[in-house]
Amino acid sequence: QKEVEQNSGPLSVPEGAIASLNCTYSDRGSQSFFWYRQYSGKSPELIMSIYSNGDKEDGRFTAQLNKASQYVSLLIRDSQPSDSATYLCAVSRRRDDKIIFGKGTRLHILP
Amino acid sequence: GAVVSQHPSWVICKSGTSVKIECRSLDFQATTMFWYRQFPKQSLMLMATSNEGSKATYEQGVEKDKFLINHASLTLSTLTVTSAHPEDSSFYICSTSHRVGETDTQYFGPGTRLTVL
Repeated sequence: QKEVEQNSGPLSVPEGAIASLNCTYSDRGSQSFFWYRQYSGKSPELIMSIYSNGDKEDGRFTAQLNKASQYVSLLIRDSQPSDSATYLCAVSRRRDDKIIFGKGTRLHILP
Repeated sequence: GAVVSQHPSWVICKSGTSVKIECRSLDFQATTMFWYRQFPKQSLMLMATSNEGSKATYEQGVEKDKFLINHASLTLSTLTVTSAHPEDSSFYICSTSHRVGETDTQYFGPGTRLTVL
């Protein structure tokens, strides 16, 4: 079983709609959860971090965590063409610990 | 977010030569830095954890003698790819772990694209 699983996509979403990205993880001891955005040829950029169950909102982005289901999601409201990128889900077990990345989901916002 | 720089941003070298990549934490001291490698259309793969003042911790399958890591100060870690070969061509990215309050977040450098001819 892979440690962090994501659908590779591509996920195509019309401009202005909500994009929903999902991620599951296998290690129940995971404490920190992250969503990174990576444009082609660039390094990852942190979008959201979440540490407790529930929703966390930041602008157009909402991260959702359900530790019982070992599930993390990212919602992007009012999707823009500039949101087209690969979104990486990542988890770590504890502070200063290494982060385990999923393979990423390619998101394509249709203008 | 925290600022991390890498140098060089890209490098082309001949097979058999060694290449050094620098990673600097510009606005805070980093006792721990991480080195990743990413092949085209694949995810980030952690190579090693760099600890200031001590030996790096390498992930399984990563050759310690080929990928030399030095973390001599709290703001600088270097990765040297020794005797590089074409299969070492990849995107190398470092990151630092920064604690704000009770939470730790990793911030990535811009990456170094290595092409070995």
